[in-house]
Amino acid sequence: IQLTQSPSSLSASVGDRVTITCQANQGISSHLAWYQQKPGKAPKLLISAASTLQSGVPSRFSGSGSGTDFTLTISSLQPEDFASYYCQQHHTYPLTFGGGTKVEIK
Amino acid sequence: EVQLVESGGGLVQPGGSLRLSCAASGFPFSDHYMDWVRQAPGKGLEWVARSRNKANNYNTEYAASVQGRFIISRDDSKDSLHLQMNSLKTEDTAVYYCARSESYSAFDPWGQGTLVTVSS
Repeated sequence: IQLTQSPSSLSASVGDRVTITCQANQGISSHLAWYQQKPGKAPKLLISAASTLQSGVPSRFSGSGSGTDFTLTISSLQPEDFASYYCQQHHTYPLTFGGGTKVEIK
Repeated sequence: EVQLVESGGGLVQPGGSLRLSCAASGFPFSDHYMDWVRQAPGKGLEWVARSRNKANNYNTEYAASVQGRFIISRDDSKDSLHLQMNSLKTEDTAVYYCARSESYSAFDPWGQGTLVTVSS
């Protein structure tokens, strides 16, 4: 399953609403996760099962979608949110990731 | 605290072998699936291999890019996961992460990673 993530990069300001999309080339139910990765660090799980916010993750992060189209939204971008974000499907082998979205400071 | 710590990375020549290890603590290791995920320098994430738990007969899955060259294994008595990497290619150069998972579930948490460099 191929995951097409867009945009590949974006520039935004603190306080902006940011939306990242992830499209699968076939249905994956809600078997999609979102990760945040900062430079030199391991990825961190933000959202599982397409919309379940992980414990300790700020509520400004939200996920939605099912089937083939998914969205990660950051409602009000904070300085610590500047990072790369990846979607990943865990529906079918091989497990696959989207190409990533780098969120940079405008 | 759940913790995963990788080791065993380093510089190896093309065609060579390397064995990575991941030491787990803070959770019942034998109950969980475990995975290896890698990231080439400046690139995205690529899933490498999965070891299911004892209840699922320790069955394994591999990415096509490593099938037949890499072997994932685990030692539940030592709470450890391994990745035997043979016939290494320059394109295997990456940071290798181990991660905990389940069936139809995300990777959480991840270790800090270990760098493997394949170069002559």
